[in-house]
Amino acid sequence: GENVEQHPSTLSVQEGDSAVIKCTYSDSASNYFPWYKQELGKGPQLIIDIRSNVGEKKDQRIAVTLNKTAKHFSLHITETQPEDSAVYFCAASTRGSTLGRLYFGRGTQLTVWP
Amino acid sequence: DTAVSQTPKYLVTQMGNDKSIKCEQNLGHDTMYWYKQDSKKFLKIMFSYNNKELIINETVPNRFSPKSPDKAHLNLHINSLELGDSAVYFCASSYASGAGGIDEQYFGPGTRLTVT
Repeated sequence: GENVEQHPSTLSVQEGDSAVIKCTYSDSASNYFPWYKQELGKGPQLIIDIRSNVGEKKDQRIAVTLNKTAKHFSLHITETQPEDSAVYFCAASTRGSTLGRLYFGRGTQLTVWP
Repeated sequence: DTAVSQTPKYLVTQMGNDKSIKCEQNLGHDTMYWYKQDSKKFLKIMFSYNNKELIINETVPNRFSPKSPDKAHLNLHINSLELGDSAVYFCASSYASGAGGIDEQYFGPGTRLTVT
């Protein structure tokens, strides 16, 4: 099955700096890559996703890039704010797999210091 | 206007007991899921249902039995609870695209289960 690796496991940045979280996947048939943000005591919230037919997607301060050849994708957060502090998860889904199966990375604890 | 809701939010019980967690979604989705998040925050799928039909059944002890009375509800019943069942359980829902496609999954707020 698919194996998703996520790095780093913890990331601390100063407010206003950028943060980058990287994930790799093993199955070249994967075609959907969502990112989730989980705040303390809450459920994961979908913040951005990308499909294999595009290389980059942006939504305000958040962007995701995908390199299908290298089988890795990254989350970029610019102008970080304290409220960006949370655990971020990447995930991948394999084309033709059982409906709805997502394989998650192990998460990155992002802390933004004011 | 809650999209995916779960009850209860917290559940503390003793080993050997039987308990249920309920999940409801008002997004009109046709697929629902149960995930388990362990103490290290790892999210792992347990089950999924599409139009009330079991689609994914991971390697989960048969003490766990999901039930989907309709497309908007997916409940999780756990028999003979063990210490290792302590975790946060998340319900999620999505539309299912055809031919193994995938669509955005939306998660509930979670149920923290503590077995003593």
